[in-house]
Amino acid sequence: DTAVSQTPKYLVTQMGNDKSIKCEQNLGHDTMYWYKQDSKKFLKIMFSYNNKELIINETVPNRFSPKSPDKAHLNLHINSLELGDSAVYFCASSRVVSGGAGAQYFGPGTRLLVL
Amino acid sequence: DAKTTQPNSMESNEEEPVHLPCNHSTISGTDYIHWYRQLPSQGPEYVIHGLTSNVNNRMASLAIAEDRKSSTLILHRATLRDAAVYYCILRSGSSNTGKLIFGQGTTLQVKP
Repeated sequence: DTAVSQTPKYLVTQMGNDKSIKCEQNLGHDTMYWYKQDSKKFLKIMFSYNNKELIINETVPNRFSPKSPDKAHLNLHINSLELGDSAVYFCASSRVVSGGAGAQYFGPGTRLLVL
Repeated sequence: DAKTTQPNSMESNEEEPVHLPCNHSTISGTDYIHWYRQLPSQGPEYVIHGLTSNVNNRMASLAIAEDRKSSTLILHRATLRDAAVYYCILRSGSSNTGKLIFGQGTTLQVKP
């Protein structure tokens, strides 16, 4: 069974389009995250949700809107896609959000290419 | 958040032990030391974490210096599947955000 899954795996689209990436975890975790890995392989946190509430928004443009319909899902909607949005987007989850211990479990990534 | 410093790359031979170093001289008393790795074309994968004492699990061992200013991830017998980027990350025990701050990591090459 896949612990953290993302769909789609690949996404190729035109500039200006709106697209969504879905994430689901079956680990029973309370906290979910979105990370972005750019072309230089630099990984950076975008959002964090705990019990469906937003905890972190790391100065991400308003065009990115996460939505958490329930604790097991955290979707990412992107409006008016730009060339610079091309990256790999990873979803992750963890049992708790606070404290220094605890592992995060990552999905396989969604490779977004904006043309 | 305290910063970590790792070598950009390391090489190892298959079936030999690998010691991946990490310096974190500004670590605070509540910071946990985490290691993740990212295999090619995959998401990051949790490896191990510790606070003060050395830790072992099925994947690796974590050796933490007595002053906690450095640590070493030990892969006891490297396989070709261990070729990945290894990230050493500090997480504050008082954090309420859960976020991981990734650096450039160490790219480990394993030669047959």
